[in-house]
Amino acid sequence: EVHLVESGGGLVQPGRSLRLSCTASGFIFGDYAVSWFRQAPGKGLEWVGFIRSKAYGGTTENAASVKGRFTISRDDSKSIAYLQMNSLKIEDTAVYYCTIGGYSNSADYWGQGTLVTVSS
Amino acid sequence: EIVLTQSPEFQSVTPKEKVTITCRASQSIGTSLHWYQQKPDQSPKLLIKYASQSISGVPSRFSGSGSGTDFTLTINSLEAEDAAAYYCHQSNGVPTFGGGTKVEIK
Repeated sequence: EVHLVESGGGLVQPGRSLRLSCTASGFIFGDYAVSWFRQAPGKGLEWVGFIRSKAYGGTTENAASVKGRFTISRDDSKSIAYLQMNSLKIEDTAVYYCTIGGYSNSADYWGQGTLVTVSS
Repeated sequence: EIVLTQSPEFQSVTPKEKVTITCRASQSIGTSLHWYQQKPDQSPKLLIKYASQSISGVPSRFSGSGSGTDFTLTINSLEAEDAAAYYCHQSNGVPTFGGGTKVEIK
């Protein structure tokens, strides 16, 4: 069974950094692209970024709203994807989800999400 | 950026009624349109992919149609457990979502 678990969320001050993890199980993680999405409290869904599988270069794409601040990486040996978030802003407050797929295709599986709160 | 306009934003429906949610894209996206259900305090769940492809484990009362710029999610014979927010998502370029439709059970 496919299982994704996000972790690393919490309360952080504006301008600081946080790294989220997405730990996968139940499938060959290295064969799949991973996306990150977020949902601000009471709001809709927003794509954050995406990392391709190594077979497709392992390259990344980011939304304009986080470009230059957020970086996605992956460690296929551990079945983990990371979202490094720097220079956090209040408007980055949201539940962050990782998914399998979701960039050039459907987001077939979602984790339970981790809440990031940016506040002074 | 491709804008997805979902309607209605809110719908209050009695059980066994048919529900229709529409999603209109600002430019043609072929069939790169997917539908998700999100229940309160849960993560989204894929319901329909590529406009009309059914997903294993999703009840058959959920169906999708459309191509180009106009898409529809239909819930035939609504059940109480279908109370949720529904989102469309396009994957033709930078991913974007519709604003969501909240379905309430009367």
